[in-house]
Amino acid sequence: DQQVKQNSPSLSVQEGRISILNCDYTNSMFDYFLWYKKYPAEGPTFLISISSIKDKNEDGRFTVFLNKSAKHLSLHIVPSQPGDSAVYFCAANRNSGNTPLVFGKGTRLSVIA
Amino acid sequence: GAGVSQSPRYKVAKRGQDVALRCDPISGHVSLFWYQQALGQGPEFLTYFQNEAQLDKSGLPSDRFFAERPEGSVSTLKIQRTQQEDSAVYLCASSLAGTPKVYEQYFGPGTRLTVT
Repeated sequence: DQQVKQNSPSLSVQEGRISILNCDYTNSMFDYFLWYKKYPAEGPTFLISISSIKDKNEDGRFTVFLNKSAKHLSLHIVPSQPGDSAVYFCAANRNSGNTPLVFGKGTRLSVIA
Repeated sequence: GAGVSQSPRYKVAKRGQDVALRCDPISGHVSLFWYQQALGQGPEFLTYFQNEAQLDKSGLPSDRFFAERPEGSVSTLKIQRTQQEDSAVYLCASSLAGTPKVYEQYFGPGTRLTVT
């Protein structure tokens, strides 16, 4: 039973436009959410996170939005750049950290120049 | 080193062979996690250490899998009598406990294990 779901396996976006990656979760005990970016043959790289007490967190071109009532979060990348092409994983954990991350299956983003 | 390192990066094992995968976490990170990532999937939790104590091993798929971190720094994941279904990328992550950044786990490059 997938507790974290990324329903879009892939997404193509034109360079300069906005990329929106979506993630849904089922476990209401999750209280912290993270996005990781992964290039081939490398480990996941931490990108941005959000606590359940917030609904938005912004870091440069990256913004994460959290809708707790809908158990939904999204990652916005504006403007998208070719170097953003990678697999993006949504992850969640609970109980003040130091617990395993639960990952979605990932969305492959392709930014076309 | 600046980040989490893992060795070997690639390992080919014949079915039935034992393997040992090593993880060097970021200096000062007391929490260490092992994950398994199958092709086309997200990483899945295997086991977790805080310092040398293994606090959770609920994700280990069978008793052929064993992990240790005897001195609270380097960790080794051992797989005995490897099977084809063990083929995956094994990821190690570490995090800094006791700070607001405890949630942020930093990953190594992984070891790709292929069992033939």
